[in-house]
Amino acid sequence: KAGVTQTPRYLIKTRGQQVTLSCSPISGHRSVSWYQQTPGQGLQFLFEYFSETQRNKGNFPGRFSGRQFSNSRSEMNVSTLELGDSALYLCASSWTGGAYEQYFGPGTRLTVT
Amino acid sequence: QQQVKQSPQSLIVQKGGISIINCAYENTAFDYFPWYQQFPGKGPALLIAIRPDVSEKKEGRFTISFNKSAKQFSLHIMDSQPGDSATYFCAANPNNAGNMLTFGGGTRLMVKP
Repeated sequence: KAGVTQTPRYLIKTRGQQVTLSCSPISGHRSVSWYQQTPGQGLQFLFEYFSETQRNKGNFPGRFSGRQFSNSRSEMNVSTLELGDSALYLCASSWTGGAYEQYFGPGTRLTVT
Repeated sequence: QQQVKQSPQSLIVQKGGISIINCAYENTAFDYFPWYQQFPGKGPALLIAIRPDVSEKKEGRFTISFNKSAKQFSLHIMDSQPGDSATYFCAANPNNAGNMLTFGGGTRLMVKP
């Protein structure tokens, strides 16, 4: 089975712009979660989608949003980018929507200048 | 609020030695505890995971020890190899809350040949 894929792998944006990141889960997985990884804050949970519905949301501002499509692919959007949004954004997929093994993709490295 | 505390931040072990990484948690609702291994430029890879109904789980050279009363769990890497040099993260997921991992701060392991 192919693993979790994320596109693009690298992205450079300017402050104030918006960005959309994409994630394709492992075939058959219905849960997709997003995490932000930075040197200062470590790995932090953003949100989880299961069957096209947001199940959980982490402690991030409303500028961070996401959605999931009927084929389980997911996108996350960050509007009005700030310098502090520079991070590795990781997507993880899981078979179910509850406390099960999550498999991570390689991430999208976002740099905000 | 850091709900999962991981130590040490860095660890140097000789080839063939035992690497031990410890984590402590506060939230008693956590009931799934995975460990992830991350190499530079890659997403975290699931190593091994445990649930509170067992005190130990072993997979190859990797063992998780779990102490529910102390709210602590640890990863032991037996016969450590230079290829094990990576950053290791413990994590915890609450029961009946979907997939929303809380990660420890990470441990950078270096195994010297």
